[in-house]
Amino acid sequence: AQSVTQPDIHITVSEGASLELRCNYSYGATPYLFWYVQSPGQGLQLLLKYFSGDTLVQGIKGFEAEFKRSQSSFNLRKPSVHWSDAAEYFCAVGAVGNFNKFYFGSGTKLNVKP
Amino acid sequence: KAGVTQTPRYLIKTRGQQVTLSCSPISGHRSVSWYQQTPGQGLQFLFEYFSETQRNKGNFPGRFSGRQFSNSRSEMNVSTLELGDSALYLCASSLIGTEQETQYFGPGTRLLVL
Repeated sequence: AQSVTQPDIHITVSEGASLELRCNYSYGATPYLFWYVQSPGQGLQLLLKYFSGDTLVQGIKGFEAEFKRSQSSFNLRKPSVHWSDAAEYFCAVGAVGNFNKFYFGSGTKLNVKP
Repeated sequence: KAGVTQTPRYLIKTRGQQVTLSCSPISGHRSVSWYQQTPGQGLQFLFEYFSETQRNKGNFPGRFSGRQFSNSRSEMNVSTLELGDSALYLCASSLIGTEQETQYFGPGTRLLVL
């Protein structure tokens, strides 16, 4: 069965600093991987997704993520964080034939210090 | 194009009652998925509908049910409410529900069971 682990519940970074949010997945075949962001009182917004090909994927708002099969990881990065990036970030895994049945990690809350 | 809309946005019910939540997908989207989000369990998949048929479901009791209408709008129903059903219920839509599509999430319905 698929599962997703986000080991960091809370992360605080200073504005302008770099960011890396960790995501580890468990899935037997090649997974479909996603990062979503949720601002307070809002639904989820897709940041980026990986299906195949280039293991470094670019997303919206300056985010990128790297798929590392050997480490079963799909970490999210941003070179310079803005105060507006403060939100909760979710990693998710899907699978062929699962018709949008995603497994989500528990989320990482990002605080940004001025 | 209008996004995914969910009604009502907030709901307060008492134990034992039942509740119906509504989701209108993005125009042209025929796949609708439902998720429950709680602080303890995180985001959990409830079910997915396409062309009025449930194609996938999560591990929830039979008190949770759903349906989809011919215009792709979807409803979910929870009968005999329990305190643990208090959650944010998120609806997401996509074109046909393949794993490679982007799911667009609505803002959610926050249900409080007293």
